[in-house]
Amino acid sequence: EADIYQTPRYLVIGTGKKITLECSQTMGHDKMYWYQQDPGMELHLIHYSYGVNSTEKGDLSSESTVSRIRTEHFPLTLESARPSHTSQYLCASRGAGAPEAFFGQGTRLTVV
Amino acid sequence: KQEVTQIPAALSVPEGENLVLNCSFTDSAIYNLQWFRQDPGKGLTSLLLIQSSQREQTSGRLNASLDKSSGRSTLYIAASQPGDSATYLCAVRLGDNTDKLIFGTGTRLQVFP
Repeated sequence: EADIYQTPRYLVIGTGKKITLECSQTMGHDKMYWYQQDPGMELHLIHYSYGVNSTEKGDLSSESTVSRIRTEHFPLTLESARPSHTSQYLCASRGAGAPEAFFGQGTRLTVV
Repeated sequence: KQEVTQIPAALSVPEGENLVLNCSFTDSAIYNLQWFRQDPGKGLTSLLLIQSSQREQTSGRLNASLDKSSGRSTLYIAASQPGDSATYLCAVRLGDNTDKLIFGTGTRLQVFP
């Protein structure tokens, strides 16, 4: 059973606000990922990390930033939210050498 | 560039039917392929993972096959139930040093009683 958690599950926020989406996993996985999914569309990788102090941008350009200060924690931040950021954000993790990725429940973000 | 396609995009069937969902990918140099289930507005639940060296994996009523050379995978659901209603996503992990998963757009399945 995967132990990866995202908070909040749902967020409605006004334009210009700073927001942080939280992702935590208790499996000790080194590798963590953020995916963005627009309604009816495929998931796209926006950020990933191979361990503490390691962060990389994914395939889809994103105005968000991430940090990895602790192994278990991989927060995503939007400094100034815009309606174009409205989407679902999914966090995932994978253990070193393990084939399977585990996903959190997602955060559905709406910027009004 | 790897592209993943899933057919059909949507499927509606009566309870009890056996189903086949299709996934195709353009570059056969994959490390593995993973099938997920996504319920509306929720995250992904991993169903089955097939390594590139494997031909199929089974879990309960689910069976996934992989034909890497032809760039295809199928997810077979036996004796479908209303609780199987969800979107099914396939994702390939690239065969290079990256750990990225490339997702298809999914098949939205509805099983009615």
